Amino acid sequence: AQSVTQLDSQVPVFEEAPVELRCNYSSSVSVYLFWYVQYPNQGLQLLLKYLSGSTLVKGINGFEAEFNKSQTSFHLRKPSVHISDTAEYFCAVSGPNSGYSTLTFGKGTMLLVSP
Amino acid sequence: EPEVTQTPSHQVTQMGQEVILRCVPISNHLYFYWYRQILGQKVEFLVSFYNNEISEKSEIFDDQFSVERPDGSNFTLKIRSTKLEDSAMYFCASTIKMNTEAFFGQGTRLTVV
Repeated sequence: AQSVTQLDSQVPVFEEAPVELRCNYSSSVSVYLFWYVQYPNQGLQLLLKYLSGSTLVKGINGFEAEFNKSQTSFHLRKPSVHISDTAEYFCAVSGPNSGYSTLTFGKGTMLLVSP
Repeated sequence: EPEVTQTPSHQVTQMGQEVILRCVPISNHLYFYWYRQILGQKVEFLVSFYNNEISEKSEIFDDQFSVERPDGSNFTLKIRSTKLEDSAMYFCASTIKMNTEAFFGQGTRLTVV
């Protein structure tokens, strides 16, 4: 079975500053990795995903993440955040046990961007 | 843009009552899922559904829970006799096939009193 740890429950940052949201996973087999974002009163929206290939993955809204197999990490980064990036961010993993169809989520990180 | 829709957005029910949460997945999607998030905790997988039957379920999905696709568009989650600990945000999701992007609905916040 796989698990996901998001080390920060909340990350406050000023507008236009860079941000990194941390995600570590544990699994003995190859997994797929995802970042989802939840804006207030909305559903979960896929930001980006890593299935295979290049370890640097670019997503929507200027976000990117790097898969690091040796450190079992998939940290999310953005070089310059906007007020509108304020949201909850979830890291998730899927594995072969479910045919890579079901997701195991982390607890989420609330990104708070202030002016 | 196609989206997954869930109704109601918020449901309050008394302990012991039956509740049905409704979802309309994206029309050409074939795999359907329910997840839940208890306040302050992780989003947890409940059940997946394909070809009119459950394909996988978690330990949370006990005999109190059931899912159904009563017609060609709706996908429902029924909780037979709600408990206080069933209070959570319930998310429906769908995928066009296995190991593709899951599209989530806005969620239904269930409050059991």
